[in-house]
Amino acid sequence: EPEVTQTPSHQVTQMGQEVILRCVPISNHLYFYWYRQILGQKVEFLVSFYNNEISEKSEIFDDQFSVERPDGSNFTLKIRSTKLEDSAMYFCASNDGGLAGGQLDTQYFGPGTRLTVL
Amino acid sequence: LAKTTQPISMDSYEGQEVNITCSHNNIATNDYITWYQQFPSQGPRFIIQGYKTKVTNEVASLFIPADRKSSTLSLPRVSLSDTAVYYCLVGDDGGATNKLIFGTGTLLAVQP
Repeated sequence: EPEVTQTPSHQVTQMGQEVILRCVPISNHLYFYWYRQILGQKVEFLVSFYNNEISEKSEIFDDQFSVERPDGSNFTLKIRSTKLEDSAMYFCASNDGGLAGGQLDTQYFGPGTRLTVL
Repeated sequence: LAKTTQPISMDSYEGQEVNITCSHNNIATNDYITWYQQFPSQGPRFIIQGYKTKVTNEVASLFIPADRKSSTLSLPRVSLSDTAVYYCLVGDDGGATNKLIFGTGTLLAVQP
């Protein structure tokens, strides 16, 4: 069964450093997402991406964050200058198209990258 | 976007049937009800989705009464490996991308 993969599984960085989290979505999917989950808290939407541009972003996704699909397979999340509060699990997800009328198209999540900012 | 309310936690024993109820009083006419499961240190995983009455798949059943103001996820004969957080989600936000809005979910703890 195809699956979303993410690398690295764990990233430790110093405050102020840039990090890039990488994801390989399922190959025929068109919509890509990043979510984060701070330890002990709920999963939060960060950004969605379609047709090589951001479709929607949350308040969390400020100027420190950016996303890119550099080639036909990878989808990356960059945090330009990490802060302590960026420490969290970051999940990438993908699906093959939005469904209309209130029906949520199934999203397939990767295993996550645990980001620790010291 | 309809708000959902679920119990924070539930306990069960192996082999029992578990029913997790979710309230969504403000569900819109077009909204579907979707459940995700999340194991520790893993991403959420789709379980089941329905609009009304009953939906069943190989993992679970979803019961939705006629007024659709609540729904019940039913897990038959749970095992230790069903220990996870279960999220009830309703509809979408009206945007173009079907982003998922997760609540706090229900932590199901299955004991031997």
